[in-house]
Amino acid sequence: QKEVEQNSGPLSVPEGAIASLNCTYSDRGSQSFFWYRQYSGKSPELIMFIYSNGDKEDGRFTAQLNKASQYVSLLIRDSQPSDSATYLCAVNRRNGQNFVFGPGTRLSVLP
Amino acid sequence: GAGVSQSPRYKVAKRGQDVALRCDPISGHVSLFWYQQALGQGPEFLTYFQNEAQLDKSGLPSDRFFAERPEGSVSTLKIQRTQQEDSAVYLCASSPGSNEQFFGPGTRLTVL
Repeated sequence: QKEVEQNSGPLSVPEGAIASLNCTYSDRGSQSFFWYRQYSGKSPELIMFIYSNGDKEDGRFTAQLNKASQYVSLLIRDSQPSDSATYLCAVNRRNGQNFVFGPGTRLSVLP
Repeated sequence: GAGVSQSPRYKVAKRGQDVALRCDPISGHVSLFWYQQALGQGPEFLTYFQNEAQLDKSGLPSDRFFAERPEGSVSTLKIQRTQQEDSAVYLCASSPGSNEQFFGPGTRLTVL
């Protein structure tokens, strides 16, 4: 079992819809969780991070964390074609600065 | 201010050659990370520095890989006797000490 798992996609949604991206992790002691966006040929850029159970909203983005289920998700409301990218889930292992990334989910927003 | 910069952006090496990849972090960032990203995969952790101290090198795939950050700013990732499986994008990221990492543009290494 990989430490951080994501569906590779592609996930296709129509413009204006809600895109839901999911991530599971295996280390129950993980402390912090991150979502990065990576456009093709570019480097990852941080969208959001979340530390506590529940929801965290930032503009059109909402991160959701459920530590009991070892599950973190990212919702993108009013999806735009410019949101088309690969979304990487990253987890900070306990007691350190060793980050584990998932393989990424490719999102395609269709105009 | 300037972001993380990496050089060269592209490197082609013949199998067996040594290569050196440079990372200039954001000024003042104490933490520096190196990752390897294969095509279609997420970044894989290689090593982490806090200032000049290399605190975690558990991700380095073999003893052919070596990283240093002698003055706590610029870092170099060196790969000796390159192999075809070393072909990947090498990403550097820096952090002010919080969990947030800021990535450079990467160096695409191709080993022929």
